[in-house]
Amino acid sequence: QSALTQPPSASGSPGQSVTISCTGTSSDVGGYNYVSWYQQHPGKAPKLMIYEVSKRPSGVPDRFSGSKSGNTASLTVSGLQAEDEADYYCNSYAGSNGYVFGTGTKVTVL
Amino acid sequence: QVQLVQSGAEVKKPGASVKVSCKTSGYTFISYHIHWVRQAPGQGLEWMGIIKPSSGIISYAQKFRGRVTMTRDTSTSTVYMELSSLTSEDMAVYYCARERDSWYYFDYWGQGTLVTVSS
Repeated sequence: QSALTQPPSASGSPGQSVTISCTGTSSDVGGYNYVSWYQQHPGKAPKLMIYEVSKRPSGVPDRFSGSKSGNTASLTVSGLQAEDEADYYCNSYAGSNGYVFGTGTKVTVL
Repeated sequence: QVQLVQSGAEVKKPGASVKVSCKTSGYTFISYHIHWVRQAPGQGLEWMGIIKPSSGIISYAQKFRGRVTMTRDTSTSTVYMELSSLTSEDMAVYYCARERDSWYYFDYWGQGTLVTVSS
């Protein structure tokens, strides 16, 4: 099972928006609406930010939103804030292959 | 409150095995699955497998089959992950993470356990 493809980096100034893509196949991202996104700060455990493509857990700011089209899912962070600087990973259910993570994207707030 | 507390850092020699524990509390143990995810230094997250405490059913990522064993102890609400035949490529932080049945996402994570493989 190959990792989902994410851009290595993304950046934006405070208040701007950044969108991260996550490309898989019809066996994972395209086959199920079970894409989730995780934020990870250095030395910390990942934190759930989005589940089931576009749903936000309680406590996650509405600046974070998710979507999916075909085999590609996306995470958008609007109104960037300094604390949004972190690594972001997508994850997808992959049926009999279990789960697969994306390659990760480092978001920098300029 | 929900907690997943993992065992401490380990240093192992190549060829050895390591067993990492994940003690859970604050919720009904058998109502949630536990996944194991690892992260090599400077690298991304890698899914290793899942254990369902209610039934003991296990599913491992193909990459780790034959080398990983996940078990659970319902009396202590603890899950274990043992990885054998360690090489330098297994040096990583190992995380446990919780998933409710058919949620397909991980809502709580352990703090991580660093496994160092060195001769």
